[in-house]
Amino acid sequence: QVQLQESGPGLAKPSETLSLTCTVSGDSISSHYWTWIRQPPGKGLEWIGYISNRGTTNYNPSLKSRVTISVDTSKNQISLKLTSVTAADTAVYYCARESFSLDYWGQGTLVTVSS
Amino acid sequence: DIEMTQSPSSLSASVGDRVTITCRASQVVKNYLAWFQQTPGKAPKSLIYAASTLQSGVPSRFSGTGSGTDFTLTISSLQPEDFATYYCQQYNTYPYTFGQGTKLEIK
Repeated sequence: QVQLQESGPGLAKPSETLSLTCTVSGDSISSHYWTWIRQPPGKGLEWIGYISNRGTTNYNPSLKSRVTISVDTSKNQISLKLTSVTAADTAVYYCARESFSLDYWGQGTLVTVSS
Repeated sequence: DIEMTQSPSSLSASVGDRVTITCRASQVVKNYLAWFQQTPGKAPKSLIYAASTLQSGVPSRFSGTGSGTDFTLTISSLQPEDFATYYCQQYNTYPYTFGQGTKLEIK
């Protein structure tokens, strides 16, 4: 059974870098595309970007200058880094597998940006 | 970016009702349209992809239609566990974009 688990600090200070990890079990990250999505409290879903099984990336232009998605195949993990965060980056961050659709999701992790 | 507009934004219905949610794209997305269900505090769950293909394990009371710019999600007979928020998403053009959501509540 495929499972995804996000982890990382739940609090970030303004102007700092948000770093999250998604650990995948039950599947190899080399077999699919992997996506990050976020959801501000009480609001809708925003696609952040993906990394392909070949390591290519595609980011939302609204975040492109600040976001990096990478993989560690030895740990079967996908990472998200978002620099220069502000309160507007406060959200639940999800990782998801892309196979025809976003078929498997992690449970999400809330990151609050506050001093 | 392609804007996805769902209607209605909220909907009250009863168990056993048939409900339809619509999703309109600001540009043609062919059939690259997915539907998700989200309950409070949980991650979205994939229901339908390619506009009309049911994700494995999803009950057959859910169905999707459409192509181009106009799409619908229909629940044929509402069950208690179906009261949730539903999102459409286009994955034809980057950046992928979601609708604003439709909250389905118990009448």
